[in-house]
Amino acid sequence: EPEVTQTPSHQVTQMGQEVILRCVPISNHLYFYWYRQILGQKVEFLVSFYNNEISEKSEIFDDQFSVERPDGSNFTLKIRSTKLEDSAMYFCASKGTDNSPLHFGNGTRLTVT
Amino acid sequence: TQLLEQSPQFLSIQEGENLTVYCNSSSVFSSLQWYRQEPGEGPVLLVTVVTGGEVKKLKRLTFQFGDARKDSSLHITAAQPGDTGLYLCAGDNYGGSQGNLIFGKGTKLSVKP
Repeated sequence: EPEVTQTPSHQVTQMGQEVILRCVPISNHLYFYWYRQILGQKVEFLVSFYNNEISEKSEIFDDQFSVERPDGSNFTLKIRSTKLEDSAMYFCASKGTDNSPLHFGNGTRLTVT
Repeated sequence: TQLLEQSPQFLSIQEGENLTVYCNSSSVFSSLQWYRQEPGEGPVLLVTVVTGGEVKKLKRLTFQFGDARKDSSLHITAAQPGDTGLYLCAGDNYGGSQGNLIFGKGTKLSVKP
């Protein structure tokens, strides 16, 4: 069964550094998402992306965050200058159509020191 | 701010027992989804309920959406150790292409043999 793949599985970075989290959504999917889950807390929506543009973003997704679909397969989340509080699991998700279910990747654990 | 409250937060039972997990909100959702999440993995969709009063069965799991579309329950009959995991409910107020899901904090279920 096709799946959403995320790399790396674990990323450690120093505060103030830029990080790029990578995702390869399921190949025929059209809607892409990033969620995050701080340890012990709920999964939170960050941003949705459709037709090469952001369709919605949450309050968490400030100017330090950006997303890109640089080619036909990758979907990236960039954090420009990481803060300690950015430490979390970041999940990429995709779906094929409006009404189809979300498929989540296994996440990237980001640790900011 | 829309919130989904799940209860109980933790549940430890013996194999063969029945259990119910609740997901409540003061807000109306166009649909509600139940996920299961294993450690180190992303959420995996179990079911989506859309119509108020809807009941869906998945083997020993029964999902119900409240008449007012504000709450939902997951009932497991004759629980088995393989049911152990984190169960998440998530509400979709927008539906359509936005996919901005609001997650509950989850119920961590442990089924002892």
